[in-house]
Amino acid sequence: GQNIDQPTEMTATEGAIVQINCTYQTSGFNGLFWYQQHAGEAPTFLSYNVLDGLEEKGRFSSFLSRSKGYSYLLLKELQMKDSASYLCALMDSNYQLIWGAGTKLIIKP
Amino acid sequence: GAVVSQHPSWVICKSGTSVKIECRSLDFQATTMFWYRQFPKQSLMLMATSNEGSKATYEQGVEKDKFLINHASLTLSTLTVTSAHPEDSSFYICSARDTSGTGMSETQYFGPGTRLLVL
Repeated sequence: GQNIDQPTEMTATEGAIVQINCTYQTSGFNGLFWYQQHAGEAPTFLSYNVLDGLEEKGRFSSFLSRSKGYSYLLLKELQMKDSASYLCALMDSNYQLIWGAGTKLIIKP
Repeated sequence: GAVVSQHPSWVICKSGTSVKIECRSLDFQATTMFWYRQFPKQSLMLMATSNEGSKATYEQGVEKDKFLINHASLTLSTLTVTSAHPEDSSFYICSARDTSGTGMSETQYFGPGTRLLVL
């Protein structure tokens, strides 16, 4: 079966850096996604990793290690608008997304 | 690119009525669309996978006769909540997978969601 773990909640300070970790177990793997979801809104796509390594996109970066079943989302220069839930999702061998429960990120001034 | 729309964004209806929600991929073709439901402060729950021109695949515990899905074209899927009851009140979100073959073809792009309140 599949399993995804990410922290329930994290708190960080405006202007700082935060790393949100995601670990997973799966028998089939076709990539790992990160989505951002603000309260009351639908998720928006942030990143997709299918190969090992770091993908950088502006203030957000995502890392994947397939051998370790591990990914992280790195947010730099945090802004108040980054307060949201961050969802890690694994794409299985059937190209279905398996969702983590999400990490609620709270940004404090 | 990769914009998905949903209509309506808000629905308030009486118990026992049926509600139809539309999901459209505006600038790409989507052979596969997904319907999710999300209750307050809970995770996304996949309800069904909708494939153009064929029957939808429902997740365990989701009643296919209650949640009717039609994916008649490459850009439109509809979800009809039949005989809605207050417990069906939720945030319904669709997503579409861009299968055009360019870029990240497995990425799901989400519509803005539809809030359903059944009185």
